[in-house]
Amino acid sequence: DIVLTQSPDSLAVSLGDRATIKCKSSQSVLHSSNNKSYLAWYQQRTGQPPNLLFYWASARESGVPDRFSGSGSGTEFTLTINNLQPEDVALYFCQQYYSPLSYTFGQGTKLQLK
Amino acid sequence: QVQLVQSGAEVKMPGASVKVSCKAFRYTFTTYNINWLRRAPGHGLEWMGWMNPFTGDTGYAQRFQGRVAMTRSTSISTAYMELSRLTSEDTAEYYCARDYDGNGYFDLWGHGTLVTVSS
Repeated sequence: DIVLTQSPDSLAVSLGDRATIKCKSSQSVLHSSNNKSYLAWYQQRTGQPPNLLFYWASARESGVPDRFSGSGSGTEFTLTINNLQPEDVALYFCQQYYSPLSYTFGQGTKLQLK
Repeated sequence: QVQLVQSGAEVKMPGASVKVSCKAFRYTFTTYNINWLRRAPGHGLEWMGWMNPFTGDTGYAQRFQGRVAMTRSTSISTAYMELSRLTSEDTAEYYCARDYDGNGYFDLWGHGTLVTVSS
């Protein structure tokens, strides 16, 4: 299985500052047929189900504020949150959907306010 | 609004089976695949499998093969996940999730169903 490793495990950021979360894949999730990286990012607030933020590594889901951005390709990916707001406190995790019948997730990064 | 509503928490004995339901509201149930995932305490999310609600076709993660069954009732827009031969390691929050375009990422999730396996 493809292993996704996120860093850091937890992060404390001040309101208005930037948060950066990394996701590293044990093998490339870039498909040569369409030049797309099969990676998604989710946010999960306490007591809520996960919420899709990005797919294809950088395609923003409808309704996601533009202070969120996703980037990267192949094996290295980044989720960036600018101008951190109180409602951004959550668990963030990445997912690869490159391998059919073997989707895997990162362990998650807990984002808190400093 | 568009949502997936799951059944309530369950407590099961080791060796028993559990069946969790996931009802779709405000969209055409048969159009999009339903996936099942779980998160055990202290662990990350784990994908279990998918089901095509229109055809009933399924695909399961290898580690659940032979122990999981994903079915549906189209008349009531409901998907089911049954897991058998439960052990304490199956204690987890179980989620259903919609795959909007068949690519493998999930745009709509249920709120989760806590399954506790304990003697």
